[in-house]
Amino acid sequence: DVKVTQSSRYLVKRTGEKVFLECVQDMDHENMFWYRQDPGLGLRLIYFSYDVKMKEKGDIPEGYSVSREKKERFSLILESASTNQTSMYLCASSLGTGGSGELFFGEGSRLTVL
Amino acid sequence: AQRVTQPEKLLSVFKGAPVELKCNYSYSGSPELFWYVQYSRQRLQLLLRHISRESIKGFTADLNKGETSFHLKKPFAQEEDSAMYYCALRDRGSTLGRLYFGRGTQLTVWP
Repeated sequence: DVKVTQSSRYLVKRTGEKVFLECVQDMDHENMFWYRQDPGLGLRLIYFSYDVKMKEKGDIPEGYSVSREKKERFSLILESASTNQTSMYLCASSLGTGGSGELFFGEGSRLTVL
Repeated sequence: AQRVTQPEKLLSVFKGAPVELKCNYSYSGSPELFWYVQYSRQRLQLLLRHISRESIKGFTADLNKGETSFHLKKPFAQEEDSAMYYCALRDRGSTLGRLYFGRGTQLTVWP
């Protein structure tokens, strides 16, 4: 079974703090993604990566950055958290070329910014 | 540009009734369509994809290119079908694998 693990299920941070969300997958997938899930807005892509050290902006990258130093790990960074970044964050991974396109998701990290 | 529209935010049916969750898309290339489901307190997971043309948990979905739709259907809903459902689209020619998701439909099946 593909396993995508998000290190923190629940976080509470203060405005202005730096926040790290970590995601690890164990199936040697090339592609990794960070989505934000908000009621009524669905899933919105923040950033994705198709290879180590490679990253692409998604639809809402403002206020976020990412890091992919190793193939299995994809980190989402909020340099200075703001209240409008309170949300559920979902990490996902998928195979690259030749893959079915199926995304495998983590359980999510619920971030509250006070 | 790609866009996936799920017109119903909420949908309620009684157990045993037919259910249809609507999904329309606009895309100029060759799309691949998916339905993902998230049960309460579980992770988001793939339900079915149009290429497979299979039935999963009694659900089916047919890609209608003329109407640009990919509606999810089940003839007899069960209480355990209550969940959030997302329609998603991918460019079939893309290796990057990014999916474009709709806003989701929360399905509630009443006993």
